[in-house]
Amino acid sequence: NAGVMQNPRHLVRRRGQEARLRCSPMKGHSHVYWYRQLPEEGLKFMVYLQKENIIDESGMPKERFSAEFPKEGPSILRIQQVVRGDSAAYFCASSLWGVKSNQPQHFGDGTRLSIL
Amino acid sequence: TQLLEQSPQFLSIQEGENLTVYCNSSSVFSSLQWYRQEPGEGPVLLVTVVTGGEVKKLKRLTFQFGDARKDSSLHITAAQPGDTGLYLCAGAGTGANNLFFGTGTRLTVIP
Repeated sequence: NAGVMQNPRHLVRRRGQEARLRCSPMKGHSHVYWYRQLPEEGLKFMVYLQKENIIDESGMPKERFSAEFPKEGPSILRIQQVVRGDSAAYFCASSLWGVKSNQPQHFGDGTRLSIL
Repeated sequence: TQLLEQSPQFLSIQEGENLTVYCNSSSVFSSLQWYRQEPGEGPVLLVTVVTGGEVKKLKRLTFQFGDARKDSSLHITAAQPGDTGLYLCAGAGTGANNLFFGTGTRLTVIP
C-alpha cells in the first residue's frame, strides 16, 4: 500500500502528557499537510510542510503544538501538555506539488486522539 | 479565512432517488475538490475542478464548478446505499498554501 500512512490510529493520553503523531507521505510526495477534525465537522488546516521546512503554520496554535518533516523519516505533529480540548481526529495529507499547482491532496486514515 | 458552506448538512433519501449537494462561498477559489469520507477513515478524493463552469462526470456523480469559481455542486443520480458517507468540498484559495474545507454533508441512502 503506497498511500499516506499515519500512526498510531488511536492514541490515549492523560492531561499534561505529550502526544506524538506520525505521518509517512505517499512515495515521491514532498508536501505534507496536517488537519484537525472534530466530530461532525469539516477539516481545519493546521500546518503545511515541505521537506525540512515549515511553509505555513497559520492554523496551528502557537502554544504546545509543533510540527516537523525531517530529511529522513516521517512528519511528526507534537502536542505538549495535552488538554481535553485537544481530543480530535488528526489527519495528514500529502501531495506531489503544493496547493497552488492544484495538485490533489491524498489523506491518511488519521490518528484519533483521546485525552482522559 | 475563506469559508465554504455546504447544504444540506444532513440528507436521508431512498435508494434510487436523485440528490444535489451544494458548496457555496463568497470567495474565489483557484480549484475545488470533492471528497467522500467514511467513519474511521480519511477523506478520499472524488474529483478536482479548476475552470469556471467546468462539469465533470464520474459514473452517477456529476460535479459542477460555478462560473465565478465561488461555488460548486455535486449531483448524484439513482443513489445507492454505497453512496452513504460524509461529502466534503475543499477549495484552494488564490495564493493560499492550504485547502479550506466545507462543513460537510452527511448522506444516508436507505435500501
